[in-house]
Amino acid sequence: AQRVTQPEKLLSVFKGAPVELKCNYSYSGSPELFWYVQYSRQRLQLLLRHISRESIKGFTADLNKGETSFHLKKPFAQEEDSAMYYCALSLNILTGGGNKLTFGTGTQLKVEL
Amino acid sequence: DTGVSQNPRHKITKRGQNVTFRCDPISEHNRLYWYRQTLGQGPEFLTYFQNEAQLEKSRLLSDRFSAERPKGSFSTLEIQRTEQGDSAMYLCASSPSLGQGNYEQYFGPGTRLTVT
Repeated sequence: AQRVTQPEKLLSVFKGAPVELKCNYSYSGSPELFWYVQYSRQRLQLLLRHISRESIKGFTADLNKGETSFHLKKPFAQEEDSAMYYCALSLNILTGGGNKLTFGTGTQLKVEL
Repeated sequence: DTGVSQNPRHKITKRGQNVTFRCDPISEHNRLYWYRQTLGQGPEFLTYFQNEAQLEKSRLLSDRFSAERPKGSFSTLEIQRTEQGDSAMYLCASSPSLGQGNYEQYFGPGTRLTVT
């Protein structure tokens, strides 16, 4: 069965400092990896997906199949980045995966001034 | 269309009572998902529908839980004989189906259930 691990429950950084939120996964096939974000009092929303290979709000994430990791990075943290971040995995929909998401436990990012 | 909506937003019930939640997905989305989130955890998959067909159910979904999507539009999740362990946030999400390119799941605000 697939599994997603986010080792840090809380990550506190100063504004302008680099950010790295860790995510490791276990699955023997070819999963799709996502980062979802939940800002205070807002609903869960997609931040980025590995297949798009794009940068959203200055965040990037590279899928490392050798290390089975999908860490989220941003070079300079902003106050508005404070939120809960969830890493999630979906089985490749093109090979029969149902597109259901398996989430990690989340990392609360706090950006301090 | 303002996105996925869920009702009620909060529900407090006594142990042993039945509760029903409703989810209205984005209108053109064929797929609808239910997740459950407890404190300190990420959302956990419960079940999903492709149109009106329920295609997968998690082992988390005991026989006290039932979900329907009778006309392929809104969905309901019913919990019978609620237990304190059912206290959680119940999230609904919808997405386009395979072949429509974008599989992003759009989440609703959730229904917070408290069983006393």
